[in-house]
Amino acid sequence: RKEVEQDPGPFNVPEGATVAFNCTYSNSASQSFFWYRQDCRKEPKLLMSVYSSGNEDGRFTAQLNRASQYISLLIRDSKLSDSATYLCAVTSVEYDYKLSFGAGTTVTVRA
Amino acid sequence: DGGITQSPKYLFRKEGQNVTLSCEQNLNHDAMYWYRQDPGQGLRLIYYSQIVNDFQKGDIAEGYSVSREKKESFPLTVTSAQKNPTAFYLCASSIRDGYTFGSGTRLTVV
Repeated sequence: RKEVEQDPGPFNVPEGATVAFNCTYSNSASQSFFWYRQDCRKEPKLLMSVYSSGNEDGRFTAQLNRASQYISLLIRDSKLSDSATYLCAVTSVEYDYKLSFGAGTTVTVRA
Repeated sequence: DGGITQSPKYLFRKEGQNVTLSCEQNLNHDAMYWYRQDPGQGLRLIYYSQIVNDFQKGDIAEGYSVSREKKESFPLTVTSAQKNPTAFYLCASSIRDGYTFGSGTRLTVV
């Protein structure tokens, strides 16, 4: 079983729609959780950290469910510029803070 | 500005040839990492180093080697033993779980 798994998508949504997707992790000792955005042929860039209480950054909302071992990302009012691959990543002090990544969820927002 | 620099951006390797990818950071981060990304896949850890003169294998270290002689530098050598080296290579540095990535090197075997 992979340490971090994501629905690859693609999610093809119209502008203004809401899109949400999850990421599951297998290591219950995982402590820190992140969503990264990766554009085609570029490096990943941190979108947001995911906190236990859930957190919001503008149109983006991240949730953590420790009991079921998954994190989620919701994008409201999608923009064309949100088209990208979204990678989830987890780490823990137990593993020297090495980041383990999912394979990514591709989102395409159409006009 | 502080950051992490990878070079070259594109690299072509002949069969049986060793090549070295450069990674330099001026963020004063202790930890540095090399990841490999194949199309449609996430990042897989090749090697990492938490301190100068020390490094550990990641999940896919076979066919690769690294050195960490200076805090700022963590070069990756792709050896001829790596049978399928064509990929996107990303270097990162971190303090705890705060990561900064370089812009990557795209390696192609010709």
